[in-house]
Amino acid sequence: NAGVMQNPRHLVRRRGQEARLRCSPMKGHSHVYWYRQLPEEGLKFMVYLQKENIIDESGMPKERFSAEFPKEGPSILRIQQVVRGDSAAYFCASSPPSGRRNTQYFGPGTRLTVL
Amino acid sequence: DQQVKQNSPSLSVQEGRISILNCDYTNSMFDYFLWYKKYPAEGPTFLISISSIKDKNEDGRFTVFLNKSAKHLSLHIVPSQPGDSAVYFCAASGGDGAGTASKLTFGTGTRLQVTL
Repeated sequence: NAGVMQNPRHLVRRRGQEARLRCSPMKGHSHVYWYRQLPEEGLKFMVYLQKENIIDESGMPKERFSAEFPKEGPSILRIQQVVRGDSAAYFCASSPPSGRRNTQYFGPGTRLTVL
Repeated sequence: DQQVKQNSPSLSVQEGRISILNCDYTNSMFDYFLWYKKYPAEGPTFLISISSIKDKNEDGRFTVFLNKSAKHLSLHIVPSQPGDSAVYFCAASGGDGAGTASKLTFGTGTRLQVTL
């Protein structure tokens, strides 16, 4: 059973460009979460999605950031017009569809560097 | 507002001894707690969890203790091994009162080094 997959693992963008990060959840998981880790900090929640629905986006910056989890294909975290402060590790996690106390399993992360 | 706190940024333990990592939380709505282990340039790996209806959960060398009145949990690793050297994150969920699976709130991590 493959784990959570993220690509690319490393992404370099210049200021003003767009960054697209992809996440494929574990087989059988229909809940996807995105987290961001800035240097020397813990992981911070960004958004929680189920297929075709955003359930909780309370951690998403109000501008430039968006996320989707289409019926077919991976979840996408999109950052428009990147700035240097967006440089961080972005982790995706997935959990099974049932129950409240679901353990989240993480992918290897995408390290975004903005030049 | 740091709702989950790991006040020790680092810990060094000799191989074979017990490692004790601590975590405090402030949100009394949290009802599920997890520990993750993270190596550099990798994603967090789930270790062990505990529900608020329990005060102890054990899995092999790893035991998590929960003290709800003190809003404190700890992870015990015994015996510690060199491969346990990593950053350990405490996480909690349930703070939003939602009836479904919800976001995790993480502490800032404790770097454990197990020496020979």
